[in-house]
Amino acid sequence: DAMVIQNPRYQVTQFGKPVTLSCSQTLNHNVMYWYQQKSSQAPKLLFHYYDKDFNNEADTPDNFQSRRPNTSFCFLDIRSPGLGDAAMYLCATSRDTGGSYNEQFFGPGTRLTVL
Amino acid sequence: GQNIDQPTEMTATEGAIVQINCTYQTSGFNGLFWYQQHAGEAPTFLSYNVLDGLEEKGRFSSFLSRSKGYSYLLLKELQMKDSASYLCAVQDSNYQLIWGAGTKLIIKP
Repeated sequence: DAMVIQNPRYQVTQFGKPVTLSCSQTLNHNVMYWYQQKSSQAPKLLFHYYDKDFNNEADTPDNFQSRRPNTSFCFLDIRSPGLGDAAMYLCATSRDTGGSYNEQFFGPGTRLTVL
Repeated sequence: GQNIDQPTEMTATEGAIVQINCTYQTSGFNGLFWYQQHAGEAPTFLSYNVLDGLEEKGRFSSFLSRSKGYSYLLLKELQMKDSASYLCAVQDSNYQLIWGAGTKLIIKP
């Protein structure tokens, strides 16, 4: 089955210790997204890639970086995690960015704990 | 600014019908999505509306009025497994998705 896969499902890191979250997709979608979601809040878009074109949201902290080495994989790097970065990180894909093609398919998420 | 409003929480009884409302103020409009999110899981797509009117899909229906900046999700014959958060998201003129904080639906036997 075509899907969006995120690893790991649960990640524990220490304050200030870099961490990388990974996402892969078998849907062959053009667009990949990274969201941060805290409890009872809306998902917050951090950045997205349209193919290799990177789009950073204006309010995404510099502490967050992303890489998309190929169509299938996308990584989220948190350079120096703080306690406020503890959240669920969701990866999503869509065929395109317009109209119904913006239906987003989500991975299961990675829950990040910062100690 | 851009804003999506949904009730924070609703309670309904198994077998009943519930309507979850969503109002929006966005810079442009290119469609509205509803997603379901069970606790601790990722959102899953329910419906997409771009034209005014009702879209029916099994037990779930979604309605849109663009002139009023309003949508609702209607869930019929409620089941315990429908307990989840329901997120409304609007695509603005730049095709960016603006998300609501979600409505937590609690189903009681």
